[in-house]
Amino acid sequence: QSVVTQPPSASGTPGQRVTISCSGSSSNIGSNTVNWYQQLPGTAPKLLIYRNNQRPSGVPDRFSGSKSGTSASLAISGLQSEDEADYYCAAWDDSLNGYVFGTGTKVTVL
Amino acid sequence: EEQLVESGGGLVQPGGSLRLSCAASGFTFGSYWMSWVRQAPGKGLEWVANVKEDGSEKFYVDSVKGRFTISRDNTKNSLYLQMNSLRAEDTAVYYCARASSGRYGRDDCWGQGTLVTVSS
Repeated sequence: QSVVTQPPSASGTPGQRVTISCSGSSSNIGSNTVNWYQQLPGTAPKLLIYRNNQRPSGVPDRFSGSKSGTSASLAISGLQSEDEADYYCAAWDDSLNGYVFGTGTKVTVL
Repeated sequence: EEQLVESGGGLVQPGGSLRLSCAASGFTFGSYWMSWVRQAPGKGLEWVANVKEDGSEKFYVDSVKGRFTISRDNTKNSLYLQMNSLRAEDTAVYYCARASSGRYGRDDCWGQGTLVTVSS
């Protein structure tokens, strides 16, 4: 079981704003930057957000990230059908000396 | 085009061994940390191991320590994962990824994955 937890699911209608939380501890999110990944069905993960709130080139600005203390969050504004995917946060853990992924959140577009 | 291509997956009996390979192209392989990440069927992502640009530092998830070895050959632009004493719980799709922020992740290039099935 991961030391970083996310809600198992989130949903919204097209155009809505959806927020996904990511809860960790002082040894991971509290000490290091958070990255977010999107995994569309049947495909490899894709980097969505890095260093808490930075978007790689090509990622729409509908996706935004933030971090406060030992928690982080990913917001998807203007939800679109193609956003239906699994989303994972991740961070280095200084106590485990390893990279930890969150438990993952499945986003459904209603 | 930056690309990672994994190979070496397959069916192996419990206790057996397997060596995964990941061939990199389109970028300067020797300038990046590299990672292995796995995903068991229907489950979430699990980081397995990573290795520094020159191979001098390696980190592993506790569940594979002493059984798996990550290595790289920068002359061949290749990453490897030697997996020994395999268990049923190692069954997963294994992805290699480029970690642009070193051990802190930012995995911005991924392979398509290779399936490892551990079963008798």
